[in-house]
Amino acid sequence: SQQGEEDPQALSIQEGENATMNCSYKTSINNLQWYRQNSGRGLVHLILIRSNEREKHSGRLRVTLDTSKKSSSLLITASRAADTASYFCATDSNNDMRFGAGTRLTVKP
Amino acid sequence: DAGITQSPRHKVTETGTPVTLRCHQTENHRYMYWYRQDPGHGLRLIHYSYGVKDTDKGEVSDGYSVSRSKTEDFLLTLESATSSQTSVYFCAIKGQDYYEQYFGPGTRLTVT
Repeated sequence: SQQGEEDPQALSIQEGENATMNCSYKTSINNLQWYRQNSGRGLVHLILIRSNEREKHSGRLRVTLDTSKKSSSLLITASRAADTASYFCATDSNNDMRFGAGTRLTVKP
Repeated sequence: DAGITQSPRHKVTETGTPVTLRCHQTENHRYMYWYRQDPGHGLRLIHYSYGVKDTDKGEVSDGYSVSRSKTEDFLLTLESATSSQTSVYFCAIKGQDYYEQYFGPGTRLTVT
């Protein structure tokens, strides 16, 4: 069964806007990771946040983690058309990785 | 693609035939994984390996077997393919000292 559940399933925004995606999970975790997948390609690792961290930044990406609510969010600021892709959260519990079904982000130029 | 290749990239096979997919890495990483990706399900773990000849089942392992006789190769076998195994299969690798996984380009398998 899936561990991470992304919300929304699909998101369409204009270039320059911010995009926020959410992930909820069910069990305790060691860390939570976000991946990106372009159509027809493999997943690419974006960012990892450990269970004892609350926020992390990488370029235009900001990830938050609330272990009390078992939820995480990924914010992409100043989106670009090239950010169009599917985004997946993955929870890591002692080397057991579980992926959600993903959020399909479309950034319109 | 972080030194990971998968072969074949596309395959069409008939129900009941055996199929083997190959994942090859040049990174000498300890951990290797096989996932399947289906619409609405994200990625689901089939099997993984934590070393040569060391493998374990994932959440959707029924109907699949794996082997790892060398560090660089991880094989996924469908002993008797079924239409429900039509999917895109991804291999991933992970080093021992970090958490992120690196994915191969995928194999699209169609079972008719």
